[in-house]
Amino acid sequence: QKEVEQDPGPLSVPEGAIVSLNCTYSNSAFQYFMWYRQYSRKGPELLMYTYSSGNKEDGRFTAQVDKSSKYISLFIRDSQPSDSATYLCAMSAWGDDKIIFGKGTRLHILP
Amino acid sequence: DSGVTQTPKHLITATGQRVTLRCSPRSGDLSVYWYQQSLDQGLQFLIQYYNGEERAKGNILERFSAQQFPDLHSELNLSSLELGDSALYFCASSAGTGGQETQYFGPGTRLLVL
Repeated sequence: QKEVEQDPGPLSVPEGAIVSLNCTYSNSAFQYFMWYRQYSRKGPELLMYTYSSGNKEDGRFTAQVDKSSKYISLFIRDSQPSDSATYLCAMSAWGDDKIIFGKGTRLHILP
Repeated sequence: DSGVTQTPKHLITATGQRVTLRCSPRSGDLSVYWYQQSLDQGLQFLIQYYNGEERAKGNILERFSAQQFPDLHSELNLSSLELGDSALYFCASSAGTGGQETQYFGPGTRLLVL
């Protein structure tokens, strides 16, 4: 079983819809959870991070962590065509320098 | 623009050859990370340097090596290249070390081995 599992998509939704992106993980030592966004032909960029279980909101984006289920989600409200990108979940454990990335989900927002 | 630069942007070479990829971190960042991204494997961590010293190692092949120089730029050397080494290679940098540091990624080097 891979440490981090993420559905690669592609996921196509109409503009204005709510998008839900998800990852599961197996390593209970993971304590720091991130979402990176990668536009085509660009490097990933950090979108959000959270340390704890629960929700964290930033504008149209909400990151949710459920440590008991080893499940994290990213919700995008009022999705825009500019949100079309690959979204990678990532996580790390305390004291570990490495970040483990999911394979990424390709998202298309249809105008 | 993340402030991380990578050269070259594209590289086409033949099997068995050796190439060097170069990365300049953001000003002030001491850590440099190298990643390989392919469609089937996703983004795979290769190696990290912090202030000139190797800090962490991931799934880096023995044919690959890296170093970080006193001016903090880094080079990734890939030798005895195989078709399967074709991928995007990203460099990232962060101010310090630790999995909680924000990593800033460069634009990547696209390597094609023929």
